[in-house]
Amino acid sequence: ETGVTQTPRHLVMGMTNKKSLKCEQHLGHNAMYWYKQSAKKPLELMFVYNFKEQTENNSVPSRFSPECPNSSHLFLHLHTLQPEDSALYLCASSQRTDTGELFFGEGSRLTVL
Amino acid sequence: QKEVEQNSGPLSVPEGAIASLNCTYSDRGSQSFFWYRQYSGKSPELIMFIYSNGDKEDGRFTAQLNKASQYVSLLIRDSQPSDSATYLCAVKGDSSASKIIFGSGTRLSIRP
Repeated sequence: ETGVTQTPRHLVMGMTNKKSLKCEQHLGHNAMYWYKQSAKKPLELMFVYNFKEQTENNSVPSRFSPECPNSSHLFLHLHTLQPEDSALYLCASSQRTDTGELFFGEGSRLTVL
Repeated sequence: QKEVEQNSGPLSVPEGAIASLNCTYSDRGSQSFFWYRQYSGKSPELIMFIYSNGDKEDGRFTAQLNKASQYVSLLIRDSQPSDSATYLCAVKGDSSASKIIFGSGTRLSIRP
């Protein structure tokens, strides 16, 4: 099993759909992150969880709803998205939030029609 | 104002030469600095981190940090075609902060 696994790898959805992205880490880490990567823009931090508790919400619109049931799993629930939300969504984990050394999954490529 | 700035490139370097990648950051309280490599179509992977002023060497890679100038760089010696990728600089605040801010990356191309 790879360290950080994301599913699905590719997702196409309409603006009225509801879907979820899933992330699972097998590294025994305690912190998990969602980042958004758009073309020619820096990686944009969305949410941070430390020991299942949310520690950062980087002013993300409410159409993105994270869920962290335990330290190994992280979800991003999507509803009524906009075409500009099309991007690569990357999940990452780290030992703790104060270490800063992130291990990324392969990402979920989202297209909103 | 961008928090972490990098030249987008592309930076073209001949094989065997030294590639020099630069990054500046705006938060003077930043404590930890990271370089990630991202191949096309892949996710970023950590290659170096540095916390103290000065140089840190790991194989062909050297990270350099100058907190007074708010500047961090990555040198790649004996550049190989496999080093062709986008290099992302990332900066973290104090030890209690969980926010890691990325630059937009420098695309490096090693020409044979």
